[in-house]
Amino acid sequence: EVQLVESGGGLVKPGESLRLSCEASGFPFSTYNMNWVRQSPSKGLESVAFISTSGDSIHYADSVKGRFTISRDNAKNSLYLQMNSLRAEDTAMYYCARDCMTTVTPYDLWGLGTLVTVSS
Amino acid sequence: DIQMTQSPSAMSASVGDRVTITCRASQGINKYLVWFQQKPGKGPKRLIYASSTLQSGVPSRFSGSGSGTEFTLTISSLQPEDFATYYCLQHNNYPWTFGQGTKVEIK
Repeated sequence: EVQLVESGGGLVKPGESLRLSCEASGFPFSTYNMNWVRQSPSKGLESVAFISTSGDSIHYADSVKGRFTISRDNAKNSLYLQMNSLRAEDTAMYYCARDCMTTVTPYDLWGLGTLVTVSS
Repeated sequence: DIQMTQSPSAMSASVGDRVTITCRASQGINKYLVWFQQKPGKGPKRLIYASSTLQSGVPSRFSGSGSGTEFTLTISSLQPEDFATYYCLQHNNYPWTFGQGTKVEIK
């Protein structure tokens, strides 16, 4: 089955760190660009980070630049998001999302998400 | 960043109704527009890309149109499984940005 499964979310205090993981299955992960997208009641859906197939092209939203790091391990079919210096406004559901490489269009497959809560 | 404005924010409709949702971009985005459907507890599901191309497996009652700054998503005959929240996304300029969503509820 083609799917993405996120993990690693939880409750942390402001200033702490968290590492999210996304495990892909059912498709050739190494041939797809990947993304993290988050969703909160206050800000809605927000593109957080992008990484190309080999990791040589990476983009971040201004709101997380310098604090979050996206990475991937193609041998493990896995995508990661290292989140440092977390703030209350980072509280959200975090989704892993795949880009469609044949049509060069974004987010054709999503996971169920993992919830991150930043609160003292 | 490009701002995407959806209207309406919410609507009530009956099974069988024709439903139209509009998405406006703060600047031209050609046809780099995607529509998603989201149900509670699930990640978004892509319905349409390139403004009007139906994603494989999506029912033909869904259609999209538009280019530049104004886009529409139409559901020709609303079905019970279509009650959900719909979002547009532009990917003409990074960062990609979403509309705020349109919740379609049962009348």
